[in-house]
This record gives sequence, C-alpha cells and structure tokens, in this order.
Amino acid sequence: EAQVTQNPRYLITVTGKKLTVTCSQNMNHEYMSWYRQDPGLGLRQIYYSMNVEVTDKGDVPEGYKVSRKEKRNFPLILESPSPNQTSLYFCASSHQGAGGANVLTFGAGSRLTVL
Amino acid sequence: GQNIDQPTEMTATEGAIVQINCTYQTSGFNGLFWYQQHAGEAPTFLSYNVLDGLEEKGRFSSFLSRSKGYSYLLLKELQMKDSASYLCAVGRGSYIPTFGRGTSLIVHP
Repeated sequence: EAQVTQNPRYLITVTGKKLTVTCSQNMNHEYMSWYRQDPGLGLRQIYYSMNVEVTDKGDVPEGYKVSRKEKRNFPLILESPSPNQTSLYFCASSHQGAGGANVLTFGAGSRLTVL
Repeated sequence: GQNIDQPTEMTATEGAIVQINCTYQTSGFNGLFWYQQHAGEAPTFLSYNVLDGLEEKGRFSSFLSRSKGYSYLLLKELQMKDSASYLCAVGRGSYIPTFGRGTSLIVHP
C-alpha cells in the first residue's frame, strides 16, 4: 500500500530533551515536507526537500532540523524542544515535476507535547 | 510572498449545497488545490485547478479564476460525513504548496 509513515504518533517530552520524528514513504517521491498544524493557524511548512541531499526552509523553520540522506526518509529533529513546539506534525510527499498536479500524500500525524 | 484567505467556519444543513470560497495573492502561481481533513486525521486530496473554470467530481466541484485570484469548492447534497475542515492550498514556484488556514464545515441534520 502506498503510504507515508510517521513515528511516533504521540509523544510527551520535556523541554530540552532532543527528539526525532521519523517519516518514510514507499512511493519513490522526490518531494517531501514537514508541516505543523496549530488551532487557528492552519498547516504551516517547516522544511521541505526536493530530492536527496536537497533541503530548504519553509515558513517556520526555527528550532527544527531535517536531513534527506535517502529518498524515502525525511526525519524531523528537535534539538532542544520547547513548549511552543507543542503541536500536531504532518509529513507529506509527492512526485516533483511540471505539467500536472503534484498531489501531496500525508502521514497520519504526530502529536507532540513538550512540557 | 503570498496570502490565502478562506472563512474560518461555515454551517449547513444535510442535503443542502455549500460554497467555500478561497482568495489568494501569490507570485508564481502553479495551480490551486483543495484538501479535506476530518478531525484528528491527515488531509486528503479533493481537487486541483490550474486553468480557469469549473471541475466537477461527483458531489464536489471546484472553480478557479486566475485573474481574480479566486477559487471556490462547491459541495452538493451535503452529508453528515462532510463535516470536516477544507483546506485551500496554492502551488507556487517549484510546485511547493502553501495552505490557507482552513474552513471548518459543520453539517447538521
């Protein structure tokens, strides 16, 4: 089944304790992206990647890091989490190309709480 | 930069028709997407418009006017299961989409 898999789905952690949210897709998609979703603010892009070893900042990158060493994986790293990073996080992927709809496939979401 | 506006919340009656509007200002427009998101779930793709006009897909239709920076999603014969958030997203540049804040649609009996 074509899918985007994120882990963990739920996490409660404490301020300053490094954590990684993994994201993996099995569709050979070039483009991958991380979003956070907060009430009243919608989906905001954190980082995105056009292909292996190519990453770029989205609209709200502060406090996050990413890497794209393999095409299928795009982990999100919080080096020193803070309470304002409490949010619902979505990973998404799509093919990357001109001439058509590059429809995003989303993971199920990771609900993170930072105390 | 870009700016995407859609109403925060709408209510409608089961069986009725509802239109959710989205206006946008952007550079490098490369199409407009609508996604549906049920509470606690991931967004799922509904429609894509890159040319002006109406695209119909079953009970859902989406319209685009590029000159006006305007789109709408039309839902007919509303069902209770249509209660969800509807996200307007604008593709730009290298097809990187930016999302609006979403419209929460409540369908009541």
